[in-house]
Amino acid sequence: AQKVTQAQTEISVVEKEDVTLDCVYETRDTTYYLFWYKQPPSGELVFLIRRNSFDEQNEISGRYSWNFQKSTSSFNFTITASQVVDSAVYFCALSEVNNNDMRFGAGTRLTVKP
Amino acid sequence: EPEVTQTPSHQVTQMGQEVILRCVPISNHLYFYWYRQILGQKVEFLVSFYNNEISEKSEIFDDQFSVERPDGSNFTLKIRSTKLEDSAMYFCASRPPGQVANYGYTFGSGTRLTVV
Repeated sequence: AQKVTQAQTEISVVEKEDVTLDCVYETRDTTYYLFWYKQPPSGELVFLIRRNSFDEQNEISGRYSWNFQKSTSSFNFTITASQVVDSAVYFCALSEVNNNDMRFGAGTRLTVKP
Repeated sequence: EPEVTQTPSHQVTQMGQEVILRCVPISNHLYFYWYRQILGQKVEFLVSFYNNEISEKSEIFDDQFSVERPDGSNFTLKIRSTKLEDSAMYFCASRPPGQVANYGYTFGSGTRLTVV
C-alpha cells in the first residue's frame, strides 16, 4: 500500500523567507502520481500540482517550485519569498495507478509571520 | 470552471442519528470519492465509487457507512448511527475516466459534521 510521510508537523517563518516542505513517499508501483494541496484556514482543499512518476522534471510556478527525486522518493515543495497568505496546512498525496484512490500525508502547518 | 458541490456546509446532529451528506460531482466525471478529516488531522480516504458500486474502501468505512448515487447526479454518504468520533470535515471528490495524471481529482469544499 502507498504511504506518504510529511515529517515536518509545523513550520514557522518570517515573511520573505524561503521555506521547503518535505514529502517522502513509499510505493511498490512503477506508475504513480504525486500531488500537493493547500488547505487554508477556511478549510477547502486547493490543488497546487500533480506530477506523474515518469516526469522528474522540476517545476516552477511563480513563487512555488517542486523538486521530484525518484532516487530518494521525495517530492519537496519550496515557497520562495513567503507571504502571510501562504499560511496554511499543506498536504502531499500519492495515487498509485493500480489503486483507485489517493492517500494523503499528515500535512505540514506553515505559519508565515509578518 | 466546473465544481464539485457539497451540501450542507455544516451539519450538527445528535449522537445515534442518521445523517446523509450530499455531493454533486462534475457532470462528466465517473469516479467518486469520500474523504474524512478529523479536526487538525490528516485527510483520510473512506471510499471510492465507480460504475454504481464501491471499488475500494478503507478500514474506516465500516457497516455504519454507505454510499449511493441515487439519481445519476447526486453522490451521497450516509452514516447510520452517528458517534461523537464521526465529527469531522467530509470531502467529496470526483474525476473523469482516464489517467489520474491527466485529469486529477476535484474536491468539494467539504461538509463539517458535528455530532453532539
